[in-house]
Amino acid sequence: DAKTTQPNSMESNEEEPVHLPCNHSTISGTDYIHWYRQLPSQGPEYVIHGLTSNVNNRMASLAIAEDRKSSTLILHRATLRDAAVYYCILGSGSGGSNYKLTFGKGTLLTVNP
Amino acid sequence: NAGVMQNPRHLVRRRGQEARLRCSPMKGHSHVYWYRQLPEEGLKFMVYLQKENIIDESGMPKERFSAEFPKEGPSILRIQQVVRGDSAAYFCASSNRSGSRQNIQYFGAGTRLSVL
Repeated sequence: DAKTTQPNSMESNEEEPVHLPCNHSTISGTDYIHWYRQLPSQGPEYVIHGLTSNVNNRMASLAIAEDRKSSTLILHRATLRDAAVYYCILGSGSGGSNYKLTFGKGTLLTVNP
Repeated sequence: NAGVMQNPRHLVRRRGQEARLRCSPMKGHSHVYWYRQLPEEGLKFMVYLQKENIIDESGMPKERFSAEFPKEGPSILRIQQVVRGDSAAYFCASSNRSGSRQNIQYFGAGTRLSVL
């Protein structure tokens, strides 16, 4: 399985933008990049996904490097409710087994008031 | 607009008892996935089911664990003769399609199993 590398933790202040990086140097040409987050005592929550172009939705933006070896999840204005573990996951796998989401340790985001 | 529903939220069992965890997928979703999260670890895939079929159970322990997704009713993850090492959070997810790298899974709030 293609792997991702994320910082263990990051800290931000409320109302400020947050850029969460992810490295995926072994990504294959057809792998999608997914981001999920897990709030304390909750199940993971889908945030955003993309393939090559930058993506925006109501929760966040996803900036994908031109060579696709890295990506950045952007929260435009962090709130206290954004404090969570953020996971960068590749939709990869041979033989159609891309349904196996591989959760690493993710990045623990702390938001200061 | 109910999301993925799991029950119970918390389950306490003594060693040797059986645990049954239930998952109702989102409306219109026919693909169900179970994951386990041990303390201080990431989620690990256990099994993938479609209605009445087990598609991939490569992440399931070989013994004591079983899963089903009947034609009617919720998906059930069953753990027989529980041991302390089974204590974990068990999450269910559902999607409306698979076989695509855009497969987006929607998760329930999980069942936290504690084995005494």
